[in-house]
Amino acid sequence: EVQLVESGGGLVQPGRSLRLSCAASGFTFDDYAMHWVRQAPGKGLEWVSGISWNSGSIGYADSVKGRFTISRDNAKNSLYLQMNSLRAEDTALYYCAKVVKLGDAYGAFDYWGQGTLVTVSS
Amino acid sequence: QSALTQPASVSGSPGQSITISCTGTSSDVGGYNYVSWYQQHPGKAPKLMIYEVSNRPSGVPDRFSGSKSGNTASLTISGLQAEDEADYYCSSYTSSSTPYVVFGGGTKLTVL
Repeated sequence: EVQLVESGGGLVQPGRSLRLSCAASGFTFDDYAMHWVRQAPGKGLEWVSGISWNSGSIGYADSVKGRFTISRDNAKNSLYLQMNSLRAEDTALYYCAKVVKLGDAYGAFDYWGQGTLVTVSS
Repeated sequence: QSALTQPASVSGSPGQSITISCTGTSSDVGGYNYVSWYQQHPGKAPKLMIYEVSNRPSGVPDRFSGSKSGNTASLTISGLQAEDEADYYCSSYTSSSTPYVVFGGGTKLTVL
């Protein structure tokens, strides 16, 4: 059974940093690209960042470029999101998600975690 | 402002069919067959319903179907059931610099 479990969320002051983690199991992690998608309270889905299976292709939404860094450790079956210079508008539930097709860097997301909540407030 | 345009809400009665549209540009929906649709119930993670325009993942009822014409993709749900009431989001790959993936603003489906 595929499982994605996010952690690392919490309450943080504006300008501070936070590192999210996503532990994956139930599939061959290093075969698939992984992404972060967020959802602000009461709002829609927003793609944040994605990373290919071998970290060779990485992308960021304009809203987080230069502040967030995605990475993965295939030996640990884990995905990460380093978030720096956090702003109030970064407040959201952050999901990690797995792409459907082996080898694709982008595309549809067939498995999602339950999310970790990040609240940026003073 | 969302990159893909969806109606804010649609509604239908049990047993009826409804269609949700998703309009983009030639840089996303119109240019690639990487359109997907997600269903999200309150407090739950999104669930993939359609990928690559018209493919259904295993376990998704065949009442759900997807299509595309030009820059507009559509999700059709036939034989509406009460449990279909949820938010629906479309998504597409985009070649317009970044982001690589764009979502629609979401459509609230109400089953009357």
